[in-house]
Amino acid sequence: KAGVTQTPRYLIKTRGQQVTLSCSPISGHRSVSWYQQTPGQGLQFLFEYFSETQRNKGNFPGRFSGRQFSNSRSEMNVSTLELGDSALYLCASMAGSANTEAFFGQGTRLTVV
Amino acid sequence: TQLLEQSPQFLSIQEGENLTVYCNSSSVFSSLQWYRQEPGEGPVLLVTVVTGGEVKKLKRLTFQFGDARKDSSLHITAAQTGDTGLYLCAGSLGGATNKLIFGTGTLLAVQP
Repeated sequence: KAGVTQTPRYLIKTRGQQVTLSCSPISGHRSVSWYQQTPGQGLQFLFEYFSETQRNKGNFPGRFSGRQFSNSRSEMNVSTLELGDSALYLCASMAGSANTEAFFGQGTRLTVV
Repeated sequence: TQLLEQSPQFLSIQEGENLTVYCNSSSVFSSLQWYRQEPGEGPVLLVTVVTGGEVKKLKRLTFQFGDARKDSSLHITAAQTGDTGLYLCAGSLGGATNKLIFGTGTLLAVQP
């Protein structure tokens, strides 16, 4: 059974650009969450999707957005990149709609220069 | 606001020693998960505890959920170099969500 696939693994962008990250959850999983991990703040919740609907959003500016497709694949987008957006972005895949175990992908390492 | 505090933040021990990592909160969690993360990789789920007072064992690792479901501990017996990594606790506040609140993390280094 394939795990959670995140692409790309590494990304270097310039300030002001925008970026799109992709996550394919475990087959059959309908829930996807995104987290940002930085040395100073640890893992911070970005947003959560279930059956193409965003159910929760963390305390991040509107430059951070996401969506989920009918096949449960999810994308997150960050516009007008800032240096502080440099982080490891992690996608978690869950089988159930609530309070279920999270399985993480390897993450996308975004560096903004 | 950080809801889950882990201690210690850093731990460097010799192979064969025992250690305990703590995860504390003032909030009640419906469940709590422990993860281990290696550099450049995503967190890997170790265990989920659900019931207050629950104890789960995974080989040399023992996990306990506090009676009030506000805290948890991870005890490693006879640590090995392969146990090196970042240990994270993560709690679910319940309700119709899979959102997790992550702890501050404990970086463990086991020296040979």
